[in-house]
Amino acid sequence: AQSVTQPDARVTVSEGASLQLRCKYSYSATPYLFWYVQYPRQGLQMLLKYYSGDPVVQGVNGFEAEFSKSDSSFHLRKASVHWSDSAVYFCAVSRGSALGRLHFGAGTQLIVIP
Amino acid sequence: EAAVTQSPRNKVAVTGGKVTLSCNQTNNHNNMYWYRQDTGHGLRLIHYSYGAGSTEKGDIPDGYKASRPSQENFSLILELATPSQTSVYFCASGDAKEVFFGKGTRLTVV
Repeated sequence: AQSVTQPDARVTVSEGASLQLRCKYSYSATPYLFWYVQYPRQGLQMLLKYYSGDPVVQGVNGFEAEFSKSDSSFHLRKASVHWSDSAVYFCAVSRGSALGRLHFGAGTQLIVIP
Repeated sequence: EAAVTQSPRNKVAVTGGKVTLSCNQTNNHNNMYWYRQDTGHGLRLIHYSYGAGSTEKGDIPDGYKASRPSQENFSLILELATPSQTSVYFCASGDAKEVFFGKGTRLTVV
C-alpha cells in the first residue's frame, strides 16, 4: 500500500538558519512527488514537483527538494529561512498523471523564530 | 487568474441534517476533487470527478456523495451529517500540469 511519511510533526528553527523537512514515500510505481505549503486559513499552494530527470528540483521562494529512489525520500530544503516561511508543509504523491489524486503526508508545522 | 471558490467558508450543521458544500472553478479543468483535512492525517481524498456528470470514489467516500452538474461546479453532499464529519474540506481542480486548491470550508457538526 502506498504511503507518505513525514516523521516530524513540528520543526522550530531560527530565522536565517538552514532547513530540511523530511519525507519518505512508499509507492509501487515511479511516483510524481510534490511539496505543498499551507498558510493559516488558506488553501494549499504548490512549492515544487518532481516527475523525472535531475533529482534536485527548484521551487518557489528559494525552496528545493531532492529525490532519492534508493532511499525512497523527497526531502525539502532551504538555505536560509525567513519568519514568513512559518506554515504547514505537506509532502504528497500523485497516483499517475492525474495530478489531483494526491496521497498526502500528515504535514510538518514549521515555526521560524525571528 | 486561476481560481477555485468554495462556499460556504464556515458551516455549523446539526447531527442527522443534510449538508451541501459547493465548489466552483474558473480554470476550465476537467478534473475536480474533494478532500478533508484532519490533524495527524493531512488531506484525504473523498470523491473526484473527470468531467460533468461523472463522480468517482476516493479513499474515504463513506458518508459522502458528490455531484458534478457542470464543468465548473462540484458539490459534496452529506445526507446525514455526523459529528465525525467535523473537519475542514478542500476542493481542488486540475489537469495533467497543475492543481489549484480552494481556501477550504470549516464544517462543524453538533
